[in-house]
Amino acid sequence: AQKVTQAQTEISVVEKEDVTLDCVYETRDTTYYLFWYKQPPSGELVFLIRRNSFDEQNEISGRYSWNFQKSTSSFNFTITASQVVDSAVYFCALTKGGSSNTGKLIFGQGTTLQVKP
Amino acid sequence: EPEVTQTPSHQVTQMGQEVILRCVPISNHLYFYWYRQILGQKVEFLVSFYNNEISEKSEIFDDQFSVERPDGSNFTLKIRSTKLEDSAMYFCASSDRDLYNEQFFGPGTRLTVL
Repeated sequence: AQKVTQAQTEISVVEKEDVTLDCVYETRDTTYYLFWYKQPPSGELVFLIRRNSFDEQNEISGRYSWNFQKSTSSFNFTITASQVVDSAVYFCALTKGGSSNTGKLIFGQGTTLQVKP
Repeated sequence: EPEVTQTPSHQVTQMGQEVILRCVPISNHLYFYWYRQILGQKVEFLVSFYNNEISEKSEIFDDQFSVERPDGSNFTLKIRSTKLEDSAMYFCASSDRDLYNEQFFGPGTRLTVL
């Protein structure tokens, strides 16, 4: 069975602090894909990144960076120099690869990030 | 930029009533999904739909639920006899011909069952 765990329910930081959101996943599939989505207070789900299981290179996009480590089944997300606009709920998600995949996303419980001015 | 749209934004209904939630996915997308999020909780998969049929459904998606793509643009979720526990935000999503690409989510329909 597949599972995504985001152990941090809520994180509160002061603007300009760096913050890391943890994501640990479980899967028996050798091919799978990991995602991060942001849910701002307005409620929509906004795609941030996709990673496949064969690509362990870390990725940086502006103030955002992602650390994928298969050895620890983790896909952590770091925001550098956080801003108030980063305040949102962040979800990590997993889908399996291969011919049996239907695109079903398994979401973690989400981490609520509050960035205070 | 193309986007997924959903109507209505908020639906209030009485327990036992039927509701239809409507979605217009992005026009060239091939895969369609419904998810739900009970207030303050995680997003849960309900159903995936491809080539005019259900490709996977969750345990939540019981006989009270159905989906349909009645024409080339709309994708609907019907709940035949709503229960109090169906109260949630329902999200429609779609993705293009690469199944592993990002899913684009609509803004959601908040369903309140009284």
